[in-house]
Amino acid sequence: NAGVTQTPKFQVLKTGQSMTLQCAQDMNHNSMYWYRQDPGMGLRLIYYSASEGTTDKGEVPNGYNVSRLNKREFSLRLESAAPSQTSVYFCASSEGGSVRNEKLFFGSGTQLSVL
Amino acid sequence: GENVEQHPSTLSVQEGDSAVIKCTYSDSASNYFPWYKQELGKGPQLIIDIRSNVGEKKDQRIAVTLNKTAKHFSLHITETQPEDSAVYFCAARQLTFGSGTQLTVLP
Repeated sequence: NAGVTQTPKFQVLKTGQSMTLQCAQDMNHNSMYWYRQDPGMGLRLIYYSASEGTTDKGEVPNGYNVSRLNKREFSLRLESAAPSQTSVYFCASSEGGSVRNEKLFFGSGTQLSVL
Repeated sequence: GENVEQHPSTLSVQEGDSAVIKCTYSDSASNYFPWYKQELGKGPQLIIDIRSNVGEKKDQRIAVTLNKTAKHFSLHITETQPEDSAVYFCAARQLTFGSGTQLTVLP
């Protein structure tokens, strides 16, 4: 019973490098989300997808792109990494579409450091 | 947009005592208020939630109260245990989280 799986768990990048964070859920959920977590700032929403084929910006989308590849997978891409993107990234999913008010299921996170 | 403020940022209590964490929100249209617990090295996990049509909800040692008029809601943990030590986050809907409270239960 995997739930939400994120890869990689840790990553170190140099400024200007690109990378993609992968997320997959096996609960047949419709909505998926990407958050970043910084000390003292809680979780901030980067992008979300209310259904397959749709994506919407959250609070802090600049410097990121996302792809909802299919119902299971939602990836986050950093095209040109910056030190300000050093953070812990969490993927989450919820059952309903259209971002209903319901429980989020989180992955275990990706610790990203940009030097 | 919605803004959620959470207090205190750190809280230490003796085992067996109660802990209270408070959050305020800005958007009066928000109608769903979850609380998440995050243990070290893990993702947040929902522990309790409340919708705006009720004022209080309990689940064993955990309770949440909501005051819609004042736009604030609180998490109450009674008879705290060392395993309650974690970071707790409140949220309005799924989209806006508070800054977190590090709860430490001292044995």
